[in-house]
Amino acid sequence: DAEITQSPRHKITETGRQVTLACHQTWNHNNMFWYRQDLGHGLRLIHYSYGVQDTNKGEVSDGYSVSRSNTEDLPLTLESAASSQTSVYFCASARTGSSDTQYFGPGTRLTVL
Amino acid sequence: DAKTTQPPSMDCAEGRAANLPCNHSTISGNEYVYWYRQIHSQGPQYIIHGLKNNETNEMASLIITEDRKSSTLILPHATLRDTAVYYCIVKIINTDKLIFGTGTRLQVFP
Repeated sequence: DAEITQSPRHKITETGRQVTLACHQTWNHNNMFWYRQDLGHGLRLIHYSYGVQDTNKGEVSDGYSVSRSNTEDLPLTLESAASSQTSVYFCASARTGSSDTQYFGPGTRLTVL
Repeated sequence: DAKTTQPPSMDCAEGRAANLPCNHSTISGNEYVYWYRQIHSQGPQYIIHGLKNNETNEMASLIITEDRKSSTLILPHATLRDTAVYYCIVKIINTDKLIFGTGTRLQVFP
C-alpha cells in the first residue's frame, strides 16, 4: 500500500547542530508539507512544495529549509538547531489541485538540548 | 490565523452521537469546510469536507448551515477510539494549505 513515512521518529540533538528530518511518500503526490506542533497548539506550517524544485515558506519558516529533488521526498533541515525548535514535526502530502485531502506521516519528535 | 472557532473540549457517552460545532462566520464563497482529527501522538487524519451541501461518508456527517457561517460534524455512534482532537478548517479552493486552530478535544467515555 502507498504510504508516507518519516524518519527518525525520535531525535535528540544539541543546540547549534544541523539536523535533517526525512519525509518519504509513495503516492506520487506533487504537494508536500512540513508542520510543527507544540504542546497545546495546533499544527503550524513551516514549508511546502508543489513539485520538484518548488519550495515555499510557511508561517514559521525561520531557521528551517527544504529542498525537493524528486517527487517522493521532502527533507526538512534545521541549519543550526535551537531549543525553540523542540517540537513534534509532521510531514504531509496531497495530490495536485482543488479540494483534495492531505495525508499525514506519523511524526518526528525532536528535542534540542 | 485560523478562521474558525471551536469549543476547546466536549464529552460524549459511548454509543451516542457526538456533535461538534464550528463557527466560520467570515468564510468566503470559494472556501471549503474540512474536518481532520488527531488521535494522541499520531498525525492528523482527514474526516470529511464540504462546500455548501451536507455530506456523509463512512466516518461522519457534515452539516453546513445555509448561510455557511457555521457547521457541525456528527459522529453518529461515538466509540472510545473516537477520543481525539477535532480540527475544523476552512480552505481555499485550488490551494492545499491547511491552517489549523486549536480544535476541540472530544472525550468519549464508557
